[in-house]
Amino acid sequence: GDSVTQMEGPVTLSEEAFLTINCTYTATGYPSLFWYVQYPGEGLQLLLKATKADDKGSNKGFEATYRKETTSFHLEKGSVQVSDSAVYFCALGFQGGSEKLVFGKGTKLTVNP
Amino acid sequence: ETGVTQSPTHLIKTRGQQVTLRCSSQSGHNTVSWYQQALGQGPQFIFQYYREEENGRGNFPPRFSGLQFPNYSSELNVNALELDDSALYLCASTPGGANTGELFFGEGSRLTVL
Repeated sequence: GDSVTQMEGPVTLSEEAFLTINCTYTATGYPSLFWYVQYPGEGLQLLLKATKADDKGSNKGFEATYRKETTSFHLEKGSVQVSDSAVYFCALGFQGGSEKLVFGKGTKLTVNP
Repeated sequence: ETGVTQSPTHLIKTRGQQVTLRCSSQSGHNTVSWYQQALGQGPQFIFQYYREEENGRGNFPPRFSGLQFPNYSSELNVNALELDDSALYLCASTPGGANTGELFFGEGSRLTVL
């Protein structure tokens, strides 16, 4: 079945450090890929997405590129801030069907000043 | 614009009991999905409702059931509660037919089963 595997956490960084959170997927067909973020005390919200191979999603300084050849969608940010502290979830879904998303287990990021 | 709201935020039940969780979808959204998020895990899809009918279901037993009302609000019902049902239950809404993958989540209802 479809699945998402993401880097185990927690991840602790200093402010302005470079961030990478790895995500790989297994899917039949051609999924869309997403990163969702859950800030403390808030609901999950979409951070960025990519709908086909080689697409790059970007938002708030975060980027991820849909790599079909390596079935990956790694999240990166060049310089993290304290306000980026949150739990990040990689997910996949299919256009045209139900709004079912398959999520990874989440990676907790803490950024220290 | 009103976001997705869920109630109650926390509740405690005992094994064998039944629970009803409620969700008001974001204004203008007619599709509602429910997810279960166990501690330390990602959300798992339970089912989705569109125009008051279930139109997608994950790998959950029939004792997990739902309803969607004409105003697009929704309920998740779980019968014969088991200890493993302890989790955060998330409701998400989307504009009907969009299928963009952008779900708008509520903050969830945390259920503890003793």
